[in-house]
Amino acid sequence: GAVVSQHPSWVICKSGTSVKIECRSLDFQATTMFWYRQFPKQSLMLMATSNEGSKATYEQGVEKDKFLINHASLTLSTLTVTSAHPEDSSFYICSAPASGRTDTQYFGPGTRLTVL
Amino acid sequence: AQTVTQSQPEMSVQEAETVTLSCTYDTSESNYYLFWYKQPPSRQMILVIRQEAYKQQNATENRFSVNFQKAAKSFSLKISDSQLGDTAMYFCAFSRNAGNMLTFGGGTRLMVKP
Repeated sequence: GAVVSQHPSWVICKSGTSVKIECRSLDFQATTMFWYRQFPKQSLMLMATSNEGSKATYEQGVEKDKFLINHASLTLSTLTVTSAHPEDSSFYICSAPASGRTDTQYFGPGTRLTVL
Repeated sequence: AQTVTQSQPEMSVQEAETVTLSCTYDTSESNYYLFWYKQPPSRQMILVIRQEAYKQQNATENRFSVNFQKAAKSFSLKISDSQLGDTAMYFCAFSRNAGNMLTFGGGTRLMVKP
């Protein structure tokens, strides 16, 4: 099956710093990628839709200036958490449907962010 | 907006037995997709089974099957011959199409006991 990677798999940072998380589709092109956030013992909540070549679409309540999304190519989307605070600590997961395909989408393994 | 509800936060089942996880949803769409995902301790999301709303036949994948009741907006997952490796969080999810964003239910933690 198709593979989506995320880097890093975990990161610890100090409050106030910025952290970049990469999501890559390894063997297919993805014009759209989705970013989800999962707090401990909770479900996945969609944060934003990343669109190659255009601005991301953010869900209600998600601060676009805090969670910067860039879809630089057909295989890479990045999520930058700016001025991170402890409440941003969470598990971030990306997913991508393969372009031109109608089957389901593929999930990355997730990135655990801990802000001290 | 769509909502997905899983009313069972936790369930347990003996190995080799059968267990059913419940899911209800709300939507005004006439065609859509429903999914069950498994999230083991590794936290990698794994697709278990998928159902297209316009198909009346319930989907099956080996030991996993669904009971899709479109009028009742119900989508339950039955796991037969439960195995220890089935222990995980299970999420029911809704999508307007198979490659679109997913709306997840709150999850059910399933424990398979030896």
